[in-house]
Amino acid sequence: EPEVTQTPSHQVTQMGQEVILRCVPISNHLYFYWYRQILGQKVEFLVSFYNNEISEKSEIFDDQFSVERPDGSNFTLKIRSTKLEDSAMYFCASTHPGSQETQYFGPGTRLLVL
Amino acid sequence: DAKTTQPTSMDCAEGRAANLPCNHSTISGNEYVYWYRQIHSQGPQYIIHGLKNNETNEMASLIITEDRKSSTLILPHATLRDTAVYYCIVIDNQGGKLIFGQGTELSVKP
Repeated sequence: EPEVTQTPSHQVTQMGQEVILRCVPISNHLYFYWYRQILGQKVEFLVSFYNNEISEKSEIFDDQFSVERPDGSNFTLKIRSTKLEDSAMYFCASTHPGSQETQYFGPGTRLLVL
Repeated sequence: DAKTTQPTSMDCAEGRAANLPCNHSTISGNEYVYWYRQIHSQGPQYIIHGLKNNETNEMASLIITEDRKSSTLILPHATLRDTAVYYCIVIDNQGGKLIFGQGTELSVKP
């Protein structure tokens, strides 16, 4: 069964450093999403991406964040200058148009900012 | 904010049916009811969804009331591996975001 994959599974970085989180969505999916979950809190929407542009973004997704689909398979989330409060699990999801919004999630990247 | 309300936690004996309720009294006509679960900080896992008819798949059954203001997810024979946080989410068919509430923490006990 096709799956969404994410790399790395864990990342530790110093405050102020740039990080890139990578996702490989399911191959025939066209909508892509990033969510995050701070430890002990709810899963929060960050951004959705369709047709090579952002469809919607949350208040969390400020100028420090960017997304890109650099090739036909990868979908990346970049945090330009990490802050302590960016420590969280980051989940990528994808869906196929016409699938009635069934988003399939990856296993997540645990980001720790020191 | 999430458009659904769910009990914070529930217990279920292994092998028994787990019935997880969800209220979505403000659901609109084009919104689906989706259920996901999250096992210990893993990625949310899709379970089932429906519009107005009851649905069943290999994981669970979904019962939606006739007025669509509430629903129940049924795990017919809960196992220890079903211990997770279960999320009920309503969403329209427009490619939009999922809004997660706190969900129901289901503990399946031997």
